[in-house]
Amino acid sequence: QKEVEQNSGPLSVPEGAIASLNCTYSDRVSQSFFWYRQYSGKSPELIMSIYSNGDKEDGRFTAQLNKASQYVSLLIRDSQPSDSATYLCALTSGAGSYQLTFGKGTKLSVIP
Amino acid sequence: GAVVSQHPSWVICKSGTSVKIECRSLDFQATTMFWYRQFPKQSLMLMATSNEGSKATYEQGVEKDKFLINHASLTLSTLTVTSAHPEDSSFYICSALRDSYEQYFGPGTRLTVT
Repeated sequence: QKEVEQNSGPLSVPEGAIASLNCTYSDRVSQSFFWYRQYSGKSPELIMSIYSNGDKEDGRFTAQLNKASQYVSLLIRDSQPSDSATYLCALTSGAGSYQLTFGKGTKLSVIP
Repeated sequence: GAVVSQHPSWVICKSGTSVKIECRSLDFQATTMFWYRQFPKQSLMLMATSNEGSKATYEQGVEKDKFLINHASLTLSTLTVTSAHPEDSSFYICSALRDSYEQYFGPGTRLTVT
């Protein structure tokens, strides 16, 4: 059974700070990793994808992947109130599977 | 970017009627699309995987005769909720797979069955 674990939060950070969101997974053959942002009442929005160990940066977002530790994280620099949302960690396993396994999400609140 | 649209964005129907929801990938072709359902404050639940030109694959517990999926082209998949009941009221979201890696979600359709 594939599992994706996230701290449900809420995680509160002050505006301008770095928000750090963490995710662990149980299936060692997991290959592709994604972070989605979901505002209340809206559908998920893809903000980062990462496939190999190390860091990947896109604007204020940095995704970090460590397959040996089965750990993936998302850093949000200079957090803004508009970043307040639920962040979903998701992954696909190998063997040509495209289905996403989601964590339950971490609710982030950026305090002005 | 990768844009996925859904229509309608919200719909109210009477119990016993059928409702069709369209999902379109606007700027890329998608041989695979997915349909999800989400109840308030709950996680996304995958209902089925839709492949262009073939039958959809339904997740365990999802009634294929109630939730009819048609993936008629590389940019369009439809979900028809047949004989809808109040318990089918939910937020239905589709996603489209781009380049066999990334899933992009539509804005969702909020269904209310009265």
